[in-house]
Amino acid sequence: DTEVTQTPKHLVMGMTNKKSLKCEQHMGHRAMYWYKQKAKKPPELMFVYSYEKLSINESVPSRFSPECPNSSLLNLHLHALQPEDSALYLCASSQGTSGGGSTDTQYFGPGTRLTVL
Amino acid sequence: AQSVSQHNHHVILSEAASLELGCNYSYGGTVNLFWYVQYPGQHLQLLLKYFSGDPLVKGIKGFEAEFIKSKFSFNLRKPSVQWSDTAEYFCAVKIRTGGFKTIFGAGTRLFVKA
Repeated sequence: DTEVTQTPKHLVMGMTNKKSLKCEQHMGHRAMYWYKQKAKKPPELMFVYSYEKLSINESVPSRFSPECPNSSLLNLHLHALQPEDSALYLCASSQGTSGGGSTDTQYFGPGTRLTVL
Repeated sequence: AQSVSQHNHHVILSEAASLELGCNYSYGGTVNLFWYVQYPGQHLQLLLKYFSGDPLVKGIKGFEAEFIKSKFSFNLRKPSVQWSDTAEYFCAVKIRTGGFKTIFGAGTRLFVKA
């Protein structure tokens, strides 16, 4: 089973709303990732969690707040977003083996399509 | 700065034609290389990957890619495309910078005419 699930599939929110995106995997992977993908653009890395600790934050604005409550779950909390934050938000996971996971393969979820009004 | 370049943004082929999609990266250290495919309305799926060893790697659905270290390239090939190969193809490079980071190319949209 190489499935990463994400909920919700679609989300529309106003600029004053607070919402959360959820990601789940049951492959025993210890590294999890958030990417942002704008239309006709490649995925851009936002955050990397390794063994439930934040290891990479690609200078993402604080209105995006990641959380990794356990090794199977990854959340992205959203607050006071801007219309330009509308995008497909992708979650991925990989084995995250010791040594940094250099030979990891990332498995992607279907994404949450976010629209900020 | 590290980057990944995919030379063709759009490719249109007829069925049974041969495919080669270019990918070059700029990074002087050790890399791991990937090709992902995104079919219309579906999520990213791994086509193939290179970590070490034989620079010619075979993936799913008849795709293969060759790592040429001297050219910093990892081109994707398929001898005979099918209509079902219509999709967007992303080259990705994993590098070590603090932690490990994957950088994606801009993608190539392939349309195969039946």
